[in-house]
Amino acid sequence: AQTVTQSQPEMSVQEAETVTLSCTYDTSENNYYLFWYKQPPSRQMILVIRQEAYKQQNATENRFSVNFQKAAKSFSLKISDSQLGDTAMYFCAFMKLGAGSYQLTFGKGTKLSVIP
Amino acid sequence: DAMVIQNPRYQVTQFGKPVTLSCSQTLNHNVMYWYQQKSSQAPKLLFHYYDKDFNNEADTPDNFQSRRPNTSFCFLDIRSPGLGDAAMYLCATSIGQGQETQYFGPGTRLLVL
Repeated sequence: AQTVTQSQPEMSVQEAETVTLSCTYDTSENNYYLFWYKQPPSRQMILVIRQEAYKQQNATENRFSVNFQKAAKSFSLKISDSQLGDTAMYFCAFMKLGAGSYQLTFGKGTKLSVIP
Repeated sequence: DAMVIQNPRYQVTQFGKPVTLSCSQTLNHNVMYWYQQKSSQAPKLLFHYYDKDFNNEADTPDNFQSRRPNTSFCFLDIRSPGLGDAAMYLCATSIGQGQETQYFGPGTRLLVL
């Protein structure tokens, strides 16, 4: 079974600053996806960024980037130039690849507050 | 816009009274999921459908059932809701062809009185 650990229940950052959210995972699988999802208050969960484990290059999406360390089983999310709209719960999630495998395993989340 | 729609957004039911939550999608995705998310916790997968094939998670209580009459719609039935079933219920979809990003609906918040 896979486990995903987010060790920071809450974080805050000043607007325009940079913040890094931590995520570690445990798996014996070699092929998998990792995701960061964002859940704003009272709004739906949306994908922020995803990383295929076979890719060594870290994924980036505009102000969002990841630091994927496969050997260390670490997958942190960096948010640059933080904006008020980044205030949300952030979930790290794991999905193994394979026929019939569709289960996302989520961490417990990190509540991020962006302070004006 | 293509999307995942959940109705109602808020549902109040009585202890033991059956309740049905609905989800529809315009993405034409093969896979539909139901998650339970309790306050300040991670979403927990209850079950998913790949097309018409139903896949139940091992620890999903028998009290929870699901129906998928067609590609677009999926229902979550709670046969006898208990106080512990009060939660946000999230529906999600994915293509089912290797790109397994899941797209979530806004959720239905269930209150059990």
